[in-house]
Order: sequence, then C-alpha cells, then structure tokens
Amino acid sequence: GESVGLHLPTLSVQEGDNSIINCAYSNSASDYFIWYKQESGKGPQFIIDIRSNMDKRQGQRVTVLLNKTVKHLSLQIAATQPGDSAVYFCAETITNDYKLSFGAGTTVTVRA
Amino acid sequence: EAQVTQNPRYLITVTGKKLTVTCSQNMNHEYMSWYRQDPGLGLRQIYYSMNVEVTDKGDVPEGYKVSRKEKRNFPLILESPSPNQTSLYFCASSPRVRSREQYFGPGTRLTVT
Repeated sequence: GESVGLHLPTLSVQEGDNSIINCAYSNSASDYFIWYKQESGKGPQFIIDIRSNMDKRQGQRVTVLLNKTVKHLSLQIAATQPGDSAVYFCAETITNDYKLSFGAGTTVTVRA
Repeated sequence: EAQVTQNPRYLITVTGKKLTVTCSQNMNHEYMSWYRQDPGLGLRQIYYSMNVEVTDKGDVPEGYKVSRKEKRNFPLILESPSPNQTSLYFCASSPRVRSREQYFGPGTRLTVT
C-alpha cells in the first residue's frame, strides 16, 4: 500500500537555529497528517497535526506546512534547543479509517 | 498519573515459545493499538481495537494475536515467536476512535533467538 516517507534520515542543527524536517506522502486520500517526537528510550509523543484542507498550522515553537500539490509535509522548529534532539515521525490517516501510518523517521541532533 | 504501561520492558526468548506482552492504560481510552518499530521502517501497526471485544488487523498482523476483554487492557500474544519478530514493540491508546493524538507506552524490546 501507499506509505508516508521522509526525505532525510538525519539532520544536524546548531542550537538556536531553526530546524526543518521534511516528509513526502503518497496517499492522496489521507486527510490528516501528524508529527510525533520520540526521545531516546521512550515512546513517541504527539506534537501537532494538520488537516488536509489547511496549508499551515502553528503550535508552540513548531509550525507544520502542508503542500498537497507536491504531497509534501514539513515540521519547522524555531530556535532549536538540546531537548529537541529526537527522532521525528510524520504520520497520516484517513478520517473514516482507524489506522495510523508512520514514516521511517528523521533523527535530529542539536549541536551545542 | 495518566499513562500506558507495558510489561515486560525487555524479553529474550527462543523460537516457538509462546509469550504475551501486556498493555494497560488508566485513562479510560476507547482506542488501543500495537506497533512494532524496526530500523529504517518507522512504526508499523500490528493490531488495533476500537473498544471492548472489537479488534482489527493493522498493516503487519501475521504471527500476532490480540484480545480486548476489558477496556484498560490490550495484550499482544505471539503464539510461536520467530526471529523475524525481534523488534521494539509499542502499545498506544487514544481517547476517541479517530483521534490523531495517541499516547504511547515505554516500549518492549523483544529478542527471539
């Protein structure tokens, strides 16, 4: 079946800089896209989601952008901090489905 | 404290020896799910449950069984484990069936030799 994927498996960022994590999806039927953060040794944690009828959604220090034309999703983290070091997963779902499909993940390392 | 718990956290077993990984949530959530995490593959859904006695297959159900006899518990059963089931397993729950925000347990690292 179709799956969610990420452009780069790793990302190294200087502390204080902005991070951009990318994700490509292929299922045009998906209507919700979600970002999760997984810190070392822990389970994933919900960050933010966006509905397919939106282009942008902002949270606390994070912004998710959705470009349906090219089936691309990104997570922007402002002023990256050491605590942002983690694996970030994008996921997709369809409203009338009960399943959540995850991408492979991007490992973000914050340099001091 | 609201949480999802899994036991055991680590398990090493041999091929063919039946095992059960327990999952429990204390948040009265309707929806529960099991995932496995493998390097380069992200998280793949094994089974999910919309409510008591209602379960369905995810993307990789082969070799696994689940049950949902009580709302808070959702055990994962491997009747005859094989080495390709060596993985990191996560249980998750969410308050509503179609909620995008799932709460994950701490994970169970299983090794099958």
